[in-house]
Amino acid sequence: ELKVEQNPLFLSMQEGKNYTIYCNYSTTSDRLYWYRQDPGKSLESLFVLLSNGAVKQEGRLMASLDTKARLSTLHITAAVHDLSATYFCAVDTTQGGSEKLVFGKGMKLTVNP
Amino acid sequence: DAGVTQSPTHLIKTRGQQVTLRCSPKSGHDTVSWYQQALGQGPHFIFQYYEEEERQRGNFPDRFSGHQFPNYSSELNVNALLLGDSALYLCASSFGGSLWGYTFGSGTRLTVV
Repeated sequence: ELKVEQNPLFLSMQEGKNYTIYCNYSTTSDRLYWYRQDPGKSLESLFVLLSNGAVKQEGRLMASLDTKARLSTLHITAAVHDLSATYFCAVDTTQGGSEKLVFGKGMKLTVNP
Repeated sequence: DAGVTQSPTHLIKTRGQQVTLRCSPKSGHDTVSWYQQALGQGPHFIFQYYEEEERQRGNFPDRFSGHQFPNYSSELNVNALLLGDSALYLCASSFGGSLWGYTFGSGTRLTVV
C-alpha cells in the first residue's frame, strides 16, 4: 500500500528565511501534487509534477520531483507571513484502471514577522 | 466557469442518523472522487465515480455509499453516523483520469454529536 510521508510536520520560521520541506513516497508513481490549505478551507492546488526531474516555480515556492528517489521537495524562498498554511503533498496511484490520491499528513507552516 | 460546488457547507447530525452530501463537478469534468479529512489529518480517499459507477473504493465501511447522476453530479451517503465520522468531506472532480489534475470543492463540515 502506498504511503506518503512529509517532514517536517510543523515548521515555524521567520520572514525572509529559506527552507525546504520533503515528501517521500513508498511506491512508484509519476504524478505528485502539492496543495495548500488554510484553516477551515479547502485544498488549493499549487503544483502538479508529472515526470522525473520536473521543477515548477510559483512566486516564493519551488517544487521538484525525483521519481527514482521517490522524493519531492518544496522550497520556500524569503518566506512571508502570507505563506502560513498547511501544505500537503499527494501522490497519484492507479488501481483497476482508476486513480486516487494518497496524501501525506501535511506540514503546518507558521511564518513569523 | 463554476468550480466544484458542494452542499451543504456545514451540517450537525446526531449519532445513528443518516446524512447525504452533494457535489456538482467543475464544468467539463466527468469523474468525482470523495475524500474524508479528519481534523489535523490529510484527506483520505473514500471512493470515485465515473459513468455512474463506483470505480474504486478506499478503506471505508459499507455505511459509506455514493451515487453519480447522468449530469455527473454525485452524492455521498453515510448511514448510522458515529462520532468518528465528524470531518471535512471534500469532493474532487477531474476529467480523463488525473492527467489534468483534480479540482477540489470547498467541502462539507460534518459534526456528529
